[in-house]
Amino acid sequence: GAVVSQHPSWVICKSGTSVKIECRSLDFQATTMFWYRQFPKQSLMLMATSNEGSKATYEQGVEKDKFLINHASLTLSTLTVTSAHPEDSSFYICSARERTLVPYEQYFGPGTRLTVT
Amino acid sequence: AQKITQTQPGMFVQEKEAVTLDCTYDTSDQSYGLFWYKQPSSGEMIFLIYQGSYDEQNATEGRYSLNFQKARKSANLVISASQLGDSAMYFCAMTTHTGANSKLTFGKGITLSVRP
Repeated sequence: GAVVSQHPSWVICKSGTSVKIECRSLDFQATTMFWYRQFPKQSLMLMATSNEGSKATYEQGVEKDKFLINHASLTLSTLTVTSAHPEDSSFYICSARERTLVPYEQYFGPGTRLTVT
Repeated sequence: AQKITQTQPGMFVQEKEAVTLDCTYDTSDQSYGLFWYKQPSSGEMIFLIYQGSYDEQNATEGRYSLNFQKARKSANLVISASQLGDSAMYFCAMTTHTGANSKLTFGKGITLSVRP
């Protein structure tokens, strides 16, 4: 149980275009979802937290107009990188939490590798 | 604010031996949780073990055990009988129990290489 999927697993896009990454909880209802960014050999950096049906809360330094997060349902959150640039190339990981599962544990998706050319 | 510190450089261990990965933390909260995750080269984050701040016994999960020393604010991961498949990056993380939006704070990670 507690499986989180991400789509696509990798994507290459041209500079200036937008790309959408989906995060789905497959067998539970994710009341809270988190989006992280990870550069090679570095730690995970939290970008934003989203609750179903409400606006995402962004971490300091994360541009909310560039990284659009939508948590439209209890099983789906999307991250849209708008007007992507090469410096946005990174590994993006989502995680999800369901209140009635093991408290405070987050279940991670497999990640999406974004390359902007 | 909470902080996780992992200062070991890349670690090497011989297959079938035990290895300890260090983690220290800092928080002013009394209620918190400590996690260890494994991240192989594929990138997926694999949950290994959890320790609650009020748990009196050290957590164990198969070959993984967490050496929790609350007074020292350390939560070291011990991997027994290392296997080649244990080669990966390992992250220590913590969360404070402050509600549904409590966040995970990660350390910078440790790379473990298991030698045959």
